[in-house]
Amino acid sequence: EVQLQQSGAELGKPGTSVKLSCKVSGYNIRSTYMHWVNQRPGKGLEWIGRIDPANGNTIYAEKFKSKATLTADTSSNTAYMQLSQLKSDDTAIYFCAVLTTKNWGQGTLVTVSS
Amino acid sequence: DVLMTQTPVSLPVSLGGQVSISCRSSQSLVHSDGNTYLHWYLQKPGQSPQLLIYRVSNRFSGVPDRFSGSGSGTDFTLKISRVEPEDLGVYYCLQSTHFPLTFGSGTKLEIK
Repeated sequence: EVQLQQSGAELGKPGTSVKLSCKVSGYNIRSTYMHWVNQRPGKGLEWIGRIDPANGNTIYAEKFKSKATLTADTSSNTAYMQLSQLKSDDTAIYFCAVLTTKNWGQGTLVTVSS
Repeated sequence: DVLMTQTPVSLPVSLGGQVSISCRSSQSLVHSDGNTYLHWYLQKPGQSPQLLIYRVSNRFSGVPDRFSGSGSGTDFTLKISRVEPEDLGVYYCLQSTHFPLTFGSGTKLEIK
């Protein structure tokens, strides 16, 4: 059974960074793209970017190019997203997902507050 | 960026009824490979989105045939017939033809 297990909730102070993880079991992470999506409180879904874990190639939405950094560790079958220079506007749930499959993580709540 | 205009925002329905959700894109979603990458998701409260329909009209594994997708180019529709309580939540369309990928703003299906 395929599972995407995301790391726990994060509380970050403005100006700091957090690194979220998405550990994959049931398939080799190299085999397909991993996408990241966010959802601000009470709002809709927003695509952040994707990574090809086989070679590390990334594509980002313009607004996240200086906010998010996507990486993957094929040895541990885990994808990561680092969010930098946190602002209150970054408070959201962040999902990892293999789009167009049922394979989504459960989401990680990031709360930015001083 | 491709703008996905999804309507209506809210959709009251009686159980057993039929509804349609529209998703219109600001440019054609036909990819250079000939495929159209328009998908539909349902997000139930407190859950991750779940895939219902991929590439316009293909039901994902396990999705009941009460759900059907149609459309082409820039105009797409999700139809739900014989609505059941488990269908309630927020529906999103997603285009993955063009970067950046973009979602519709969502349609909340609720009991009338």
